[in-house]
Amino acid sequence: GDSVTQMEGPVTLSEEAFLTINCTYTATGYPSLFWYVQYPGEGLQLLLKATKADDKGSNKGFEATYRKETTSFHLEKGSVQVSDSAVYFCALKAAGNKLTFGGGTRVLVKP
Amino acid sequence: DGGITQSPKYLFRKEGQNVTLSCEQNLNHDAMYWYRQDPGQGLRLIYYSQIVNDFQKGDIAEGYSVSREKKESFPLTVTSAQKNPTAFYLCASTPSGYNEQFFGPGTRLTVL
Repeated sequence: GDSVTQMEGPVTLSEEAFLTINCTYTATGYPSLFWYVQYPGEGLQLLLKATKADDKGSNKGFEATYRKETTSFHLEKGSVQVSDSAVYFCALKAAGNKLTFGGGTRVLVKP
Repeated sequence: DGGITQSPKYLFRKEGQNVTLSCEQNLNHDAMYWYRQDPGQGLRLIYYSQIVNDFQKGDIAEGYSVSREKKESFPLTVTSAQKNPTAFYLCASTPSGYNEQFFGPGTRLTVL
């Protein structure tokens, strides 16, 4: 079945550091890929998405590129802020309407 | 404002009691979903509904029930048969023809 694997956290880094969260997937066909962010005590917010190979999703300084050859969708940000502290989820949607989520990666940015 | 509302934000119940969590959306979305999130873990799908009066089991439906009598409402009942009901419950919806899901703020259920 479909699955998403993302790096375990927590990831702790200083303000203005470079952030990378790895995400790889297994799916049949050509899934759409997503990154969601969850702030403490809240629901998930869509951060960015990509629907086909080589697409780059971007939002709020975050970027991720759909790499079909490596089945990956790594999330990057060049200079993080304290306000980026959250849990980040990688997800895919293959056939049907269901999303498959990774386990989440907690990011803590220190001033 | 358009959006997905879940109420209440915090809910406490005694063991053995059924409890119903509310999820309402005014976005005119066709599909709605219920997820469970446990501390430090990802989301697991409980039930989903693509149209009114129809719903399907997700990966962890045992001990839960749902109804979809109106397009905008998808309540989840946590029954006494659910062995470990304490968790954070998230509702989501999707408009027809879209891939992404939009989430509500969640309800934290604690069973004492």
